[in-house]
Amino acid sequence: KQEVTQIPAALSVPEGENLVLNCSFTDSAIYNLQWFRQDPGKGLTSLLLIQSSQREQTSGRLNASLDKSSGRSTLYIAASQPGDSATYLCAVRLPSGGGADGLTFGKGTHLIIQP
Amino acid sequence: GAGVSQSPSNKVTEKGKDVELRCDPISGHTALYWYRQSLGQGLEFLIYFQGNSAPDKSGLPSDRFSAERTGGSVSTLTIQRTQQEDSAVYLCASSLQGTGGSRPKNIQYFGAGTRLSVL
Repeated sequence: KQEVTQIPAALSVPEGENLVLNCSFTDSAIYNLQWFRQDPGKGLTSLLLIQSSQREQTSGRLNASLDKSSGRSTLYIAASQPGDSATYLCAVRLPSGGGADGLTFGKGTHLIIQP
Repeated sequence: GAGVSQSPSNKVTEKGKDVELRCDPISGHTALYWYRQSLGQGLEFLIYFQGNSAPDKSGLPSDRFSAERTGGSVSTLTIQRTQQEDSAVYLCASSLQGTGGSRPKNIQYFGAGTRLSVL
């Protein structure tokens, strides 16, 4: 059974710092990996999706890397801002039939950016 | 276009009652997913619909849970004889499956969820 672990569970840093969130998964045979953010009382917003054949994806100040063989992904946030405060979730999908299956989520990293 | 819409946003019910939660996916998305987010448990997958294929029910926690998707669009998640442990936020997501074309594939877009409280 696929398990996803996120470290740290919580993180508080001053505004402007660069930071790294970590995600590890036990079954390396993934179809893709997705990073989300969740704001209190709201649904999830997709940030980046990395296909199993890719090594990284970038969007603005965000960069996600994937090392499938070691079962790891990192989300790098550059020049953090108070608006980045949220819970960040990592999720993987296993290949299943046409590659469409439910996501397995980590429990998230609760990030606070201090102004 | 509009995102994934879920209703109601909040539902309070008494133990033993049945509840129905609704999800309107993004227009044109063929795949629809239901997840449950419980305090301290994280997000867990419940059920998945793809087009007209039989749904993947592997994540449903008990036979009190069922879901249907009418006409390949709107989906309803039904919980019968609710229990206090069913209290959670129920999230729906949709995605465009496959390869090719210009629209992004396989990215799941989530609704804001329905917060269910069973008293």
